[in-house]
Amino acid sequence: DIQMTQSPSSVSASVGDRVTITCRASQGISSWLAWYQQKPGKAPKLLIYAASSLQSGVPSRFSGSGSGTDFTLTISSLQPEDFATYYCQQANSFPQTFGQGTKVEIK
Amino acid sequence: EVQLVESGGGLVQPGRSLRLSCAASGFTFDDYAMHWVRQAPGKGLEWVSGISWNSGSIGYADSVKGRFTISRDNAKNSLYLQMNSLRAEDTALYYCAKDLYEFRELGPFDYWGQGTLVTVSS
Repeated sequence: DIQMTQSPSSVSASVGDRVTITCRASQGISSWLAWYQQKPGKAPKLLIYAASSLQSGVPSRFSGSGSGTDFTLTISSLQPEDFATYYCQQANSFPQTFGQGTKVEIK
Repeated sequence: EVQLVESGGGLVQPGRSLRLSCAASGFTFDDYAMHWVRQAPGKGLEWVSGISWNSGSIGYADSVKGRFTISRDNAKNSLYLQMNSLRAEDTALYYCAKDLYEFRELGPFDYWGQGTLVTVSS
């Protein structure tokens, strides 16, 4: 199975800050990487697919990059509604493993 | 509008069985793979099982292999998860999720239901 490792596990940031979350796959997954946002009591929401493609309706302050084993999610200017937990997921092979999550908290 | 509505969760004793259902609408159900993802209380996301558009390709997490069975009925726009030999560690909110791509079964997932809670306890 492919292991997905996110870092950091949590980050404290202020509104307007640039936030970067990384995700590393235990083996190469080309660009088969997605990012989700989850708020308390809600289902996850797809933000980025194919490593860098923005899902319809997602603000352009979210961006993704990377290929192979190393990936990044960047929020260019953090907004109040962005405080949530973020997960990466590999979509290269069964089982489609998720990272352990990164909680973005208010500083 | 795409809608996924899960049902069938509840409180069940260890060793017993439960069958989850997911009713889908708002898209051409038989063009897309479907998945079950769970989240234990206060924990992260765990993919449980997925099934291709035509049921020709099925996958399971190691943690449920041999105990859970995924199936679908394209005529009824419905997805199912038969869960046998349930354990305390299966306690979680179970989400039904739709694959983003047509005719591919590896995700990612662009629509999710609101989940159905399964609690395994004596």
